Amino acid sequence: GNSVTQMEGPVTLSEEAFLTINCTYTATGYPSLFWYVQYPGEGLQLLLKATKADDKGSNKGFEATYRKETTSFHLEKGSVQVSDSAVYFCALNRGGTSYGKLTFGQGTILTVHP
Amino acid sequence: GAVVSQHPSWVICKSGTSVKIECRSLDFQATTMFWYRQFPKQSLMLMATSNEGSKATYEQGVEKDKFLINHASLTLSTLTVTSAHPEDSSFYICSASVSSLRGVYNEQFFGPGTRLTVL
Repeated sequence: GNSVTQMEGPVTLSEEAFLTINCTYTATGYPSLFWYVQYPGEGLQLLLKATKADDKGSNKGFEATYRKETTSFHLEKGSVQVSDSAVYFCALNRGGTSYGKLTFGQGTILTVHP
Repeated sequence: GAVVSQHPSWVICKSGTSVKIECRSLDFQATTMFWYRQFPKQSLMLMATSNEGSKATYEQGVEKDKFLINHASLTLSTLTVTSAHPEDSSFYICSASVSSLRGVYNEQFFGPGTRLTVL
């Protein structure tokens, strides 16, 4: 079946540090891959996505590249800010008859200190 | 962006009672809504998919008679936890999306969640 594995958190960084949150997946076929972010007290928001191999999703300084050979979709940001503190979820959508159904990783808590 | 609300944001109830959670799309019509459950420090688990005007499709292992889902309109879906027990205590999250005529995946917009505690 489908599964998503994220690096365990929490992750604590100082402002302007480099961020990597690892995400690997298991799926049949060619899933679409997503990163969602959940700020305190709010619902999940789509951060970025990639729909095919070698695609790079990017938004708000965050990037992730769909690597089919390593089944990975690691999230990176060159310089984090305090406002990036949130929970980050990696997810996949297998498509086809499962159209729209998301499988999530366990989430990674990021805390950025001034 | 599109906004999805949930009500209530938290609820405490006694064991054996039923609890209804509402999910509303505030500024768009949602052809499909999804209900998730999240345990502490764990991932979101999809419970069911709800299409307006039709019966919900439940994921394997989810009790249909316990978690009643109704999607009566394009802006409202409800989840009713019937005869709730302490093990049903969890964080319930809904999301809403719009089907595309092209069949392309459309973004899901998530509600802020409802914390259910069953005593």
